[in-house]
Amino acid sequence: GNSVTQMEGPVTLSEEAFLTINCTYTATGYPSLFWYVQYPGEGLQLLLKATKADDKGSNKGFEATYRKETTSFHLEKGSVQVSDSAVYFCALSDRSDYKLSFGAGTTVTVRA
Amino acid sequence: KAGVTQTPRYLIKTRGQQVTLSCSPISGHRSVSWYQQTPGQGLQFLFEYFSETQRNKGNFPGRFSGRQFSNSRSEMNVSTLELGDSALYLCASSFGQMNTEAFFGQGTRLTVV
Repeated sequence: GNSVTQMEGPVTLSEEAFLTINCTYTATGYPSLFWYVQYPGEGLQLLLKATKADDKGSNKGFEATYRKETTSFHLEKGSVQVSDSAVYFCALSDRSDYKLSFGAGTTVTVRA
Repeated sequence: KAGVTQTPRYLIKTRGQQVTLSCSPISGHRSVSWYQQTPGQGLQFLFEYFSETQRNKGNFPGRFSGRQFSNSRSEMNVSTLELGDSALYLCASSFGQMNTEAFFGQGTRLTVV
């Protein structure tokens, strides 16, 4: 079945530091890939997505590229802010199973 | 455009009781799915409905059930509550397939005592 493995946290950074969260996946078909973010006490918000190989998703300074050859979708941001402190989830979905499969989540804390 | 609305936001129940959670999807969205979030297990898929039909179900006991109404609103029910059912229950809606964009509600925090 489909599965997602992402870098375990927690990750603590200083403001303006570079952030990378690794995500790799296993899928039988050609899934769409997502990064969701969860702020304390809230549900999940879609951060970015990519629907086919070599697509790059981007939003709010975050980027991730769908790499089929390495089955990866790593999240990056060049200069983080305190407001980026949250839990980040990598996820995938394909047409055959009508669900999202999530990674374990990575807690990111950015210090001023 | 209103987002996904889940009610209630917080719930405290006693072991052995049953509970019903509600989810109103974004207008026009016909797919509704449910997830359980716990610190130990992370986000686990419960079930997905599209036009009142369950298309997929996760690996949960039969105490967990759901349904979808003709207006796409969905409910999930948990019977004979156990302490381990304490979790954040999240509902997500999408226009069609889940490999398109899914929008989540704020969740219902269920505590079983």
